[in-house]
Amino acid sequence: EEQLVESGGGLVQPGGSLRLSCAASGFPVTSNYVTWVRQAPGKGLEWVSVIYSHGDTYYADSVKGRFTISRDNSKNILYLQMNSLRDDDTAVYYCARVGLGLPRGIYWFYMDVWGQGTTVTVSS
Amino acid sequence: EIVLTQSPATLSVSPGERVTLSCRASQSVSSNLVWYQQRPGQAPRLLIYGASTRATGIPPRFSGSGSGTDFTLTISSLQSEDFAVYYCQQFHNWPPLTFGGGTKVEIK
Repeated sequence: EEQLVESGGGLVQPGGSLRLSCAASGFPVTSNYVTWVRQAPGKGLEWVSVIYSHGDTYYADSVKGRFTISRDNSKNILYLQMNSLRDDDTAVYYCARVGLGLPRGIYWFYMDVWGQGTTVTVSS
Repeated sequence: EIVLTQSPATLSVSPGERVTLSCRASQSVSSNLVWYQQRPGQAPRLLIYGASTRATGIPPRFSGSGSGTDFTLTISSLQSEDFAVYYCQQFHNWPPLTFGGGTKVEIK
């Protein structure tokens, strides 16, 4: 079964750092794009970052320069290193696999496997 | 960045009713539009991709339509487990990926 399990969330002071982990099983992270998506309390979904199968990385403007996405291919784990944390980074952080379908002869992207989420609270 | 606007923000409906949710893009996303369902306390769940293709295991009462800038998610007969928040998301011009603000479907 394809699965993602996040860990590493917790309470951190403003300006602090935290590293989230996303352990994948049932599929190799090196063969897929994987994203981080967050959800502030009572709010909607916000895309954070993506790492492509070939290793390219991209970030939302709100986290660029502060967050770093990476992966350990041997352990099949994704990471999100979060530095200079701010109050508005408080959220549940989900990792999600970007899948690819081929109905109607065209490739379509979607997020088909999601973790259960890990909660990050930034507060003094 | 492509902005997705969902309407209405909240929809109060009775079980068995037909429900239509709207998602409008600030510029064309072709058919690169995805719908997710999120129940309270749970991660989002993929419903529809490519604007109209149901994901594996999604019941046929869920259907998606539209292309360009205007999209619709229809639930033909609302079941109790369908009360949730629904998000649209575009994969047309990314990164960045963008989500709509969500539509909450609540019990009337």
